[in-house]
Amino acid sequence: AAGVIQSPRHLIKEKRETATLKCYPIPRHDTVYWYQQGPGQDPQFLISFYEKMQSDKGSIPDRFSAQQFSDYHSELNMSSLELGDSALYFCASSWGQGTDTQYFGPGTRLTVL
Amino acid sequence: AQSVSQHNHHVILSEAASLELGCNYSYGGTVNLFWYVQYPGQHLQLLLKYFSGDPLVKGIKGFEAEFIKSKFSFNLRKPSVQWSDTAEYFCAVGGGSQGNLIFGKGTKLSVKP
Repeated sequence: AAGVIQSPRHLIKEKRETATLKCYPIPRHDTVYWYQQGPGQDPQFLISFYEKMQSDKGSIPDRFSAQQFSDYHSELNMSSLELGDSALYFCASSWGQGTDTQYFGPGTRLTVL
Repeated sequence: AQSVSQHNHHVILSEAASLELGCNYSYGGTVNLFWYVQYPGQHLQLLLKYFSGDPLVKGIKGFEAEFIKSKFSFNLRKPSVQWSDTAEYFCAVGGGSQGNLIFGKGTKLSVKP
């Protein structure tokens, strides 16, 4: 079965640079969630989209923005990167909001030097 | 505010031992409950979920969990662990219309062969 695809899988950036992470949900899933998992930490919810509209916002820094496109893929844009942004960024998708299981992608490991 | 508490940070067991990982949640409304597993270097995979109905839910790989509403608990159990169960286990609660997940801090399980 098709799973959530994230790209790139690994990304190395310097401080103050920008990064774009991409997420392709499972076909026919209309909801995308972004989570950040720091080293040894639990995943923290960043932001979600339902039918291309932002549906909820968590602990996402103002330096980050995201959107969901017409084909339901989503991109997380991160600017002015800081050392503390180094983490595993997971995307999850589901069909509908709140009532369906979220399926997680493999994550993008971002390292900021 | 919603929160999830996992009682054990690190559990070490020998193969064939029984496992129970505790999870308590705090949420004021109807909740959906999940257990995810994260094998070393891999993404979160769904073990099992509870939305409604029978409070004893069975998941993959021989895992089960029991929802006890009066105790706000959703403990994970397995009668006989294997070395391949070595992983980190996250309890999560989802609720509300947006459906984003709140994760516990995770329990690292190490199974000795």
